[in-house]
Amino acid sequence: GQQVMQIPQYQHVQEGEDFTTYCNSSTTLSNIQWYKQRPGGHPVFLIQLVKSGEVKKQKRLTFQFGEAKKNSSLHITATQTTDVGTYFCQELLGAQKLVFGQGTRLTINP
Amino acid sequence: DAGVIQSPRHEVTEMGQEVTLRCKPISGHDYLFWYRQTMMRGLELLIYFNNNVPIDDSGMPEDRFSAKMPNASFSTLKIQPSEPRDSAVYFCASRVSSYNSPLHFGNGTRLTVT
Repeated sequence: GQQVMQIPQYQHVQEGEDFTTYCNSSTTLSNIQWYKQRPGGHPVFLIQLVKSGEVKKQKRLTFQFGEAKKNSSLHITATQTTDVGTYFCQELLGAQKLVFGQGTRLTINP
Repeated sequence: DAGVIQSPRHEVTEMGQEVTLRCKPISGHDYLFWYRQTMMRGLELLIYFNNNVPIDDSGMPEDRFSAKMPNASFSTLKIQPSEPRDSAVYFCASRVSSYNSPLHFGNGTRLTVT
């Protein structure tokens, strides 16, 4: 079934550099959610985007939903070692079927 | 609230053995999801329930896998017989039915089949 494509699969940055991960869909999404999974942990909800062109911020994290609601991005400004982990986008298929993108694994050189 | 509770945290078993994973969702959550996570395939949705009824099991890999939810506070995922390729982390997650509500994950069960 439909699944959002997430890129890149891996990203390694120096501490202090910015980081961006993207989710792309061939169809219009009703909404998109973002999760973070620390190494050895479980996915934890970060945010949800619903409206076309929506932009939300959480401290150094900026989330965007495309105008056509077919893509989304998560941008981290000035990464810190606490940002290490895998970031997933999640789409809603049908009524309640929640599927995840492949994830972007972020590693940081201190 | 205690959150979603999964047991065991780790399971090591030999090929051919039966494995049962357990999950207690957050009280009041009427949706329960089972996911499997591997490096190769990422987070795969196996099955989900609404009010204890299985809604979509299209992600269950094969007949060796079965899941039940006998009541609102308990679910099991069973693999019989287990195979080495079933080695993965299995997550249970729950949510309320209101639109846009987030998933709450348990800590997962790391399964190793030798």
